[in-house]
Amino acid sequence: GAVVSQHPSWVICKSGTSVKIECRSLDFQATTMFWYRQFPKQSLMLMATSNEGSKATYEQGVEKDKFLINHASLTLSTLTVTSAHPEDSSFYICSATGDQYGYTFGSGTRLTVV
Amino acid sequence: RKEVEQDPGPFNVPEGATVAFNCTYSNSASQSFFWYRQDCRKEPKLLMSVYSSGNEDGRFTAQLNRASQYISLLIRDSKLSDSATYLCVVDDSWGKLQFGAGTQVVVTP
Repeated sequence: GAVVSQHPSWVICKSGTSVKIECRSLDFQATTMFWYRQFPKQSLMLMATSNEGSKATYEQGVEKDKFLINHASLTLSTLTVTSAHPEDSSFYICSATGDQYGYTFGSGTRLTVV
Repeated sequence: RKEVEQDPGPFNVPEGATVAFNCTYSNSASQSFFWYRQDCRKEPKLLMSVYSSGNEDGRFTAQLNRASQYISLLIRDSKLSDSATYLCVVDDSWGKLQFGAGTQVVVTP
């Protein structure tokens, strides 16, 4: 079956620093990757959609200069939270989809900004 | 109005009992529907897709009512391991997944 690996699982960083989260499709080519954010007791909120080799499409209200997304290959997408602040603390999850598979989620990254 | 709405619960269910809950969606053009299960601090995992004719997977039964724009999930013979948050997910007409906030189910001994 399709597997998506997401790293790191959790990270604590100081306010003002940047954090990079990686999402890899291990056994399929992910033509599209999605990045979500989930606050406690809330639904997953789509942040952006990225297609390999093109710029990500951000949802309304998501700052593209703060949340940098790179999808340089069919198996890797990265989300960089720049100049993180405590309000960016959340659970970030990626999802990938390819030709043969539906949506496969990564295991998520719990970010805490102190 | 949210795209996908769910009763947050919690639904406290004695072990062995049946529990059912619904989810409503606002986009009538939505094409695909899913139930995902999410355990605390974990990623969502696909429980089952929901088809127009209704479908069953073991103790789980899903129904879709397009006219009223809701889907339902029924769990029979609840197990302690069924305790989780169940996410209603709708693939909107633009190919994006819209998530409900989840319905928490707590199965008690």
